[in-house]
Amino acid sequence: DTGVSQDPRHKITKRGQNVTFRCDPISEHNRLYWYRQTLGQGPEFLTYFQNEAQLEKSRLLSDRFSAERPKGSFSTLEIQRTEQGDSAMYLCASILQGNNSPLHFGNGTRLTVT
Amino acid sequence: AQSVTQLGSHVSVSEGALVLLRCNYSSSVPPYLFWYVQYPNQGLQLLLKYTSAATLVKGINGFEAEFKKSETSFHLTKPSAHMSDAAEYFCAVSPNFGNEKLTFGTGTRLTIIP
Repeated sequence: DTGVSQDPRHKITKRGQNVTFRCDPISEHNRLYWYRQTLGQGPEFLTYFQNEAQLEKSRLLSDRFSAERPKGSFSTLEIQRTEQGDSAMYLCASILQGNNSPLHFGNGTRLTVT
Repeated sequence: AQSVTQLGSHVSVSEGALVLLRCNYSSSVPPYLFWYVQYPNQGLQLLLKYTSAATLVKGINGFEAEFKKSETSFHLTKPSAHMSDAAEYFCAVSPNFGNEKLTFGTGTRLTIIP
């Protein structure tokens, strides 16, 4: 169990640029979640995948956001035309559904939009 | 919609003293409640969870929480604080068992005074 891995740890970008984050879940985990955490707040649900299928998206996920999990393993979260309000920590988490184990979180990608 | 409210964004206790972090929930159905801990620049780690099996839930690192339906509360306690307990603590609620789409509170930062 190598844990959930997120890359990069930090990303600084200029407003209007596109960014992409990667999440590698624990290998046997079939569910993968993305959360966003802004300063001083708790994480907020963005979207989740069961294997390669994206099953739910939050209303927080505007058209500029897209997430994929093409082979049911790693996932990417892309933000197009970044805005300053997108500055946040983006957390990925994974779980093997049904075995009563906890959600495993990665250490997050901190995005700063200047 | 379900929600949780954490009273006190900052709590300071002396080393060896009782830790009490407050969480109240709002739910029209029996809730599934969680406490997570987040250390600086890290993801979230599950401390404990309530799934209706027992009202007093014991977690890791000596923490426990008691579900009180009459008070709609799920407060987190630890009898004796340790310096390593300094972190951010989040209460969270899930709409049903096995659903990891969590709604988090705004967090409580715990400081331990030597």
